[in-house]
Amino acid sequence: QQQVKQSPQSLIVQKGGIPIINCAYENTAFDYFPWYQQFPGKGPALLIAIRPDVSEKKEGRFTISFNKSAKQFSLHIMDSQPGDSATYFCASSAKDGSWGKLQFGAGTQVVVTP
Amino acid sequence: DAGVTQSPTHLIKTRGQQVTLRCSPKSGHDTVSWYQQALGQGPQFIFQYYEEEERQRGNFPDRFSGHQFPNYSSELNVNALLLGDSALYLCASSLTSYEQYFGPGTRLTVT
Repeated sequence: QQQVKQSPQSLIVQKGGIPIINCAYENTAFDYFPWYQQFPGKGPALLIAIRPDVSEKKEGRFTISFNKSAKQFSLHIMDSQPGDSATYFCASSAKDGSWGKLQFGAGTQVVVTP
Repeated sequence: DAGVTQSPTHLIKTRGQQVTLRCSPKSGHDTVSWYQQALGQGPQFIFQYYEEEERQRGNFPDRFSGHQFPNYSSELNVNALLLGDSALYLCASSLTSYEQYFGPGTRLTVT
């Protein structure tokens, strides 16, 4: 049972473009939504995270948009650079009863061409 | 400030053997979670340790066990290895229940 569905599986954008990755969740108890960036052979690195009490959060060139009623959230990478080429994972966790256990999406491979 | 460290980096084992993976959490963190990441997939939660006890567990068989030491470091043990256990094993540490920081992982290959 996949509780977090992520799309697309992969995408290619030119330098300066804005890749957008979408995630949908089912469990209404989820209250923490992080995004992780993973390069080949490395562990996931925490990029940015959002709680459901806000609809948008920006950190540098990364923006999370959150739609609580639709149970969806997305990652936008502004002014993308070739160095942003990586696999991105969305995740969710619930406060009560799961102690921060992260449920991950399947990942999106992003390629930024020069 | 040292981040999460894991050892070994790579490991090759034969089916039926046992393996122990090690993790040192980020300084100041007291909670360690272990995840299994198969090739091309997202990490899957194995279990979490806090105050030297397993606090919660994912859908993994009893062949997967762990331990947390008084200095908060942790071990993941896998018995009776199967070919399907081949994966990247990730350790994540945290202080609160939320922000989890991952180590580089241990790549386990079972032949």
